[in-house]
Amino acid sequence: GESVGLHLPTLSVQEGDNSIINCAYSNSASDYFIWYKQESGKGPQFIIDIRSNMDKRQGQRVTVLLNKTVKHLSLQIAATQPGDSAVYFCADQGRGYQKVTFGIGTKLQVIP
Amino acid sequence: NAGVTQTPKFQVLKTGQSMTLQCAQDMNHNSMYWYRQDPGMGLRLIYYSASEGTTDKGEVPNGYNVSRLNKREFSLRLESAAPSQTSVYFCASSQERQGLQETQYFGPGTRLLVL
Repeated sequence: GESVGLHLPTLSVQEGDNSIINCAYSNSASDYFIWYKQESGKGPQFIIDIRSNMDKRQGQRVTVLLNKTVKHLSLQIAATQPGDSAVYFCADQGRGYQKVTFGIGTKLQVIP
Repeated sequence: NAGVTQTPKFQVLKTGQSMTLQCAQDMNHNSMYWYRQDPGMGLRLIYYSASEGTTDKGEVPNGYNVSRLNKREFSLRLESAAPSQTSVYFCASSQERQGLQETQYFGPGTRLLVL
């Protein structure tokens, strides 16, 4: 993930619509990517992951897309619900390395 | 199966006081981590422990010490707290399989205010 300053980017989405949250990473050696959801006052919660030998992975209502050429990751949430309101951030990790780099996140606001 | 637990949930310290943040995991993970989270910044690694008996510095280790007490427990100590250490602290754990680290699972956090 990359730092984009002091203020979290915010995405406002109507309930029922699809959400797309983007993330850029800088380390071309990264081969493992994770999306986390963090609700206010709670710890980050794993949503979905993808390794570099894949470009798409689907979960329940969520899809992660990986574009290694431009070092870009996206999280798609289908039929966004009020309970999806949270901060979402990506993380990337190189093979064999303990260190994970976390982005600062995007705040998703779901409008009922 | 409680996952990763942290104590305390909240703490207020005066400058110069010391305290230990406790973390335990019941997932039999080898690796454990301590992060701090500050507004507008991504999680920053303070210390990590790849396995029982080993610890290594992360990105921001100054002012902190850690102890990997056993496979389950990993504590973070502030010897002389400073206002710059006001933050939310998260503990995490993960498992290595076939040379690859898997997802890190996080605790609920400790909110620390240093006056």
